[in-house]
Amino acid sequence: SQQGEEDPQALSIQEGENATMNCSYKTSINNLQWYRQNSGRGLVHLILIRSNEREKHSGRLRVTLDTSKKSSSLLITASRAADTASYFCATGNAGGTSYGKLTFGQGTILTVHP
Amino acid sequence: NAGVTQTPKFQVLKTGQSMTLQCAQDMNHEYMSWYRQDPGMGLRLIHYSVGAGITDQGEVPNGYNVSRSTTEDFPLRLLSAAPSQTSVYFCASSSSPGPWDEQFFGPGTRLTVL
Repeated sequence: SQQGEEDPQALSIQEGENATMNCSYKTSINNLQWYRQNSGRGLVHLILIRSNEREKHSGRLRVTLDTSKKSSSLLITASRAADTASYFCATGNAGGTSYGKLTFGQGTILTVHP
Repeated sequence: NAGVTQTPKFQVLKTGQSMTLQCAQDMNHEYMSWYRQDPGMGLRLIHYSVGAGITDQGEVPNGYNVSRSTTEDFPLRLLSAAPSQTSVYFCASSSSPGPWDEQFFGPGTRLTVL
């Protein structure tokens, strides 16, 4: 079963606007990662946030993590047409039957119109 | 560094045929994994390895075999291809012996089973 679920499934915005994607998960995690996938390509790592962190920034990206609500959000500020891609959250689990496994959500398709 | 390489890029098989998808990395990474990506399903973990000689099952292992005789290579074998195995397959690696850090993905193999 999918550990991470993302919301919305699709997001369409204009260039310059901010884009927010959300990820919810079910079990305890060691870390949560966000990846981008351009059409027909492999996944590219964007940012990793550990379970003891609440917020992390990387350029125009801001990730928050709320372990009490088992949720994370990815904010892309001042979006560009080149940000058009699918975005996935992935959770790394430290124990139990999920040890050693990285579990991906179904992704959010972001379209940024010029 | 070439990073993570996968061959072939495309493959068409007939039901019942067997084949091996190749994955290699030149970063001396301990952790390697195989995912399949189907429309609307995100990525699902097939098998993973935390080091040479050690492999384990992921979420959807049936119909696939793996081995890890060297740190560099992690081939995925389809024993008897079925149409349900039509998918895009991604190999990934990480420097940690688990999904605790950034995963580096290969470009993918698009497999069609007729």
